[in-house]
Amino acid sequence: DIVMTQSPSSLAVSAGETVTINCKSSQSLLSSGNQKNYLAWYQQKPGQSPKLLIYLASTRESGVPDRFIGSGSGTDFTLTISSVQAEDLADYYCQQHYSYPTFGAGTKLELK
Amino acid sequence: EVKLQQSGDELVRPGASVKMSCKASGYTFTDYAMHWVKQSPGQGLEWIGTIIPLIDTTSYNQKFKGKATLTADKSSNTAYMELSRLTSEDSAVYYCASERRVPHVMDAWGQGASVTVSS
Repeated sequence: DIVMTQSPSSLAVSAGETVTINCKSSQSLLSSGNQKNYLAWYQQKPGQSPKLLIYLASTRESGVPDRFIGSGSGTDFTLTISSVQAEDLADYYCQQHYSYPTFGAGTKLELK
Repeated sequence: EVKLQQSGDELVRPGASVKMSCKASGYTFTDYAMHWVKQSPGQGLEWIGTIIPLIDTTSYNQKFKGKATLTADKSSNTAYMELSRLTSEDSAVYYCASERRVPHVMDAWGQGASVTVSS
């Protein structure tokens, strides 16, 4: 199995700040065939189901605000949220979709 | 609009089985895989397995082989998951999620179904 390691586990922010969440995979998620990275990001607000934000490392799902930016390649990936808003307070999970899915342990975004 | 409507919360006895459902609407059910994901209390997400309704093909996380059984009814656009020989470790929220974009990416999720295993 591909192990996904997220950091930090929690993050306290003020509205308007830019935050970065990191995700590292135990093996490369870069396909040699199409040069795409198979990494997704999900947001889960309290009491709600997860919601897809980004897939293929940087492709934003329809309707996701452009302040959510996915980047990275190979084994190291980042989710950047620019100008954090109160509605962004949630848990964030990375997931590799290179093979059978595995998730990171999550990052809790809280208000400072 | 894509919607995945899951069955209700369950309270079950240790050693029993439970079968939950996930009714899909707003897309062609048979064209896309359906995943099931476990979230234990206060914990992260764990992939259980996937079913491709068109060909009734299933794939399981090794950890859940023998625990979970995935099926699908094409006539009612409904996916099912049965969990057997329940223990307290199976108490969790279970989600179904569709895969319509890229393999293994879960683009729409059900509301979740809580299973509590208690005597």
